[in-house]
Amino acid sequence: GENVEQHPSTLSVQEGDSAVIKCTYSDSASNYFPWYKQELGKGPQLIIDIRSNVGEKKDQRIAVTLNKTAKHFSLHITETQPEDSAVYFCAAKAIKAAGNKLTFGGGTRVLVKP
Amino acid sequence: DSGVTQTPKHLITATGQRVTLRCSPRSGDLSVYWYQQSLDQGLQFLIQYYNGEERAKGNILERFSAQQFPDLHSELNLSSLELGDSALYFCASSVSAENIQYFGAGTRLSVL
Repeated sequence: GENVEQHPSTLSVQEGDSAVIKCTYSDSASNYFPWYKQELGKGPQLIIDIRSNVGEKKDQRIAVTLNKTAKHFSLHITETQPEDSAVYFCAAKAIKAAGNKLTFGGGTRVLVKP
Repeated sequence: DSGVTQTPKHLITATGQRVTLRCSPRSGDLSVYWYQQSLDQGLQFLIQYYNGEERAKGNILERFSAQQFPDLHSELNLSSLELGDSALYFCASSVSAENIQYFGAGTRLSVL
């Protein structure tokens, strides 16, 4: 089955700096890659996603890049703010005939220091 | 607020007991998913239902079962509970069987 690895597990950045989180996946059939942000005591919230027919997608301070050949994708947060502090999860999914199973990476705890 | 409602928020019980977790999907969503989040295992997919039918299964233990009712709410039943079942259990929902998943706030289960 699919395996998703996520690095780093923790990331501390100064407010205003950029943060980058990287994920690799194993199943070449995967074609949908969402990123979720989980704040303390809350459920994961979708912040951005990318499909395999696109190499890059941007939404304000957040961008995601996808390299299908290398089977890796990354989340970039620019001009970080204290409210960006949270745990971020990448995930991968193959659009198959049945099922919509997301396989998650292990998570990255991001701390933005003021 | 994602629109996915999970109850209860917290559940404390003893080993060997049985509990039921409830999930109400977003209005209009036909598919529900259950995930388990533990400290050492991350977010693990358990099972998916679409319009009342089981659609996909992950590493769900035989002691666990789920169902989706005609009104589309879902319940996850956990029986013969063990200490290792202590975790956060999340429900997610999506419009179809393939769309973006929106997560609820979770139920924290503590087995003592």
